Amino acid sequence: DAKTTQPTSMDCAEGRAANLPCNHSTISGNEYVYWYRQIHSQGPQYIIHGLKNNETNEMASLIITEDRKSSTLILPHATLRDSAVYYCIVRINDMRFGAGTRLTVKP
Amino acid sequence: GAGVSQSPSNKVTEKGKDVELRCDPISGHTALYWYRQSLGQGLEFLIYFQGNSAPDKSGLPSDRFSAERTGGSVSTLTIQRTQQEDSAVYLCASSSLPGDTQYFGPGTRLTVL
Repeated sequence: DAKTTQPTSMDCAEGRAANLPCNHSTISGNEYVYWYRQIHSQGPQYIIHGLKNNETNEMASLIITEDRKSSTLILPHATLRDSAVYYCIVRINDMRFGAGTRLTVKP
Repeated sequence: GAGVSQSPSNKVTEKGKDVELRCDPISGHTALYWYRQSLGQGLEFLIYFQGNSAPDKSGLPSDRFSAERTGGSVSTLTIQRTQQEDSAVYLCASSSLPGDTQYFGPGTRLTVL
């Protein structure tokens, strides 16, 4: 079973920040938090990952709580093309994806 | 270089037939994963290969499913005596090392009539 819990779905207004939460209360000290997204029937696309520190790249920011038991993926200015299923994964070798969060960006 | 490729992109077969799905990982990637995704569902882990280690087969749903990875590169997922519930998109991914970023192929859409 996946080690993460995410809301089933979320809506966000176009141009606003989308904040996607993930709980991973059983995370161990050397496990990374990874985020992927899947648009329609395409293969999942890597977004970002982190261990302890907050991370930012051209796609998103990742905020990890100090106790590492939860994290938030932030899409700073969501566009309609960001509508997708977003998966939060905690892993070294555990390859199991949960159901993810279906983000719908609305005009 | 080239990404992960899979073939065929679509496969339609009759119930009871065997099918083989192929995955070409990114060159040099030691880890290779197979998943399947039924319509409207999340990703279901099937099997994981890492180097020369014994594969993690814990996700295979039945003994009709098997996979090989020859020479540490190309992998073939075989489904014997296909059933209608096997209809899904089968996705392959590879990563340079276990736990590293996975790169996914475009998938094979299997339809069992």
